[in-house]
Amino acid sequence: DTQLTQSPSFLSASVGDRVTITCRASHGIRSYLAWYQQKPGKAPKPLIYAASTLQSGVPSRFSGSGSGTEFTLTISSLQPEDFATYYCQQLNNYPYTFGQGTKLEIK
Amino acid sequence: QVQLQESGPGLVKPSGTLSLTCAVSGGSISSSSWWSWVRQPPGKGLECIGEIYDSGSTNYNPSLKSRVTISVDKSKNQFSLRLSSVTAADTAVYYCARYQHQLYDSWGQGTLVTVSS
Repeated sequence: DTQLTQSPSFLSASVGDRVTITCRASHGIRSYLAWYQQKPGKAPKPLIYAASTLQSGVPSRFSGSGSGTEFTLTISSLQPEDFATYYCQQLNNYPYTFGQGTKLEIK
Repeated sequence: QVQLQESGPGLVKPSGTLSLTCAVSGGSISSSSWWSWVRQPPGKGLECIGEIYDSGSTNYNPSLKSRVTISVDKSKNQFSLRLSSVTAADTAVYYCARYQHQLYDSWGQGTLVTVSS
């Protein structure tokens, strides 16, 4: 299985901050990476696919980049509704594994 | 916009079989998509269980393959999960989801299944 490691696991930030979450793959996955946002008691919400393509309806303050083994999710200006847990997922080879998650909390 | 809804028992006894169904509405299950099951133990991360195409082709997570069966019922526009020989480690929220264009783009709300006697 392809292992994904997210950093940091916890992130404390303020409204208006710019934050970046990193996802590293144990081996190359081309651009087959997606990002999801999950709030407590809810299903994951898709944000980005193919490493950098914004899913329909997702605000433009979210962006993704990377290919191969290193990827980033950036939120340019945090809004109150962005405080949640974020997961990356590789879809290069089955089983499609997820990172362990990054919990974004209000400072 | 396709919608997915999981259903099934919320409590399963150890060594028993977990059975869940995902009803698809707002679109056809025969739509060139993979239909998937994902689970999340309480307070933990996400794990893909398996997926099925409308043709009946399947992929299973090797860690669960010996215990998992996923099937599709086109006449009812739904797909199902069976997980046998369950233990407490199988306690989780189980989600069904649609895989399309390199993304799980639609998810059910999730259903908590507890394995306990």
